Amino acid sequence: LAKTTQPISMDSYEGQEVNITCSHNNIATNDYITWYQQFPSQGPRFIIQGYKTKVTNEVASLFIPADRKSSTLSLPRVSLSDTAVYYCLVGDNWVDSSYKLIFGSGTRLLVRP
Amino acid sequence: DTAVSQTPKYLVTQMGNDKSIKCEQNLGHDTMYWYKQDSKKFLKIMFSYNNKELIINETVPNRFSPKSPDKAHLNLHINSLELGDSAVYFCASSDREENEQYFGPGTRLTVT
Repeated sequence: LAKTTQPISMDSYEGQEVNITCSHNNIATNDYITWYQQFPSQGPRFIIQGYKTKVTNEVASLFIPADRKSSTLSLPRVSLSDTAVYYCLVGDNWVDSSYKLIFGSGTRLLVRP
Repeated sequence: DTAVSQTPKYLVTQMGNDKSIKCEQNLGHDTMYWYKQDSKKFLKIMFSYNNKELIINETVPNRFSPKSPDKAHLNLHINSLELGDSAVYFCASSDREENEQYFGPGTRLTVT
């Protein structure tokens, strides 16, 4: 079972780049790495997903080293509206029918003016 | 249009009661999930249904039972509610070929 570890909280200022790292030492061969964002009183929202190397979309980048035991979510030029909790999720639904998907405790990002 | 919807948004009930939470998705996804988020914000999967078949069943009490009348709906039934069941319950769905999950707005259940 792949367990994830993230920093509990991070502070930043508007316009800065924020990097949130997630450790997942027990990641399995078929596991994907997915990041979600959650605002208060809302459901989590998908940000980005990757398997190896680097993935970039319109909102973030995901850096995954060769050993895949960690990953870094990079948010360029954050704004106040990026204040949220960010969850790293590691897993693959389809390898094992009994596979457990467990989100970690998440990283609470506070963006200050 | 709302992709994943849940009803009710808030549910307050007493111990021992039986309640249901409904979930519907209009994304045409094959898989739906139920998650429980506790006060510490841990999100834990409870059930996953793919084309009406249970594919992930966490070690949740059998007081909880998912029911899927069709691919677009996955309802959560809870019998004999306990204080520890108080949490926010999220429904989600995903396409079979992708892991990206779309979450509903959540149902805050309070058991008194």
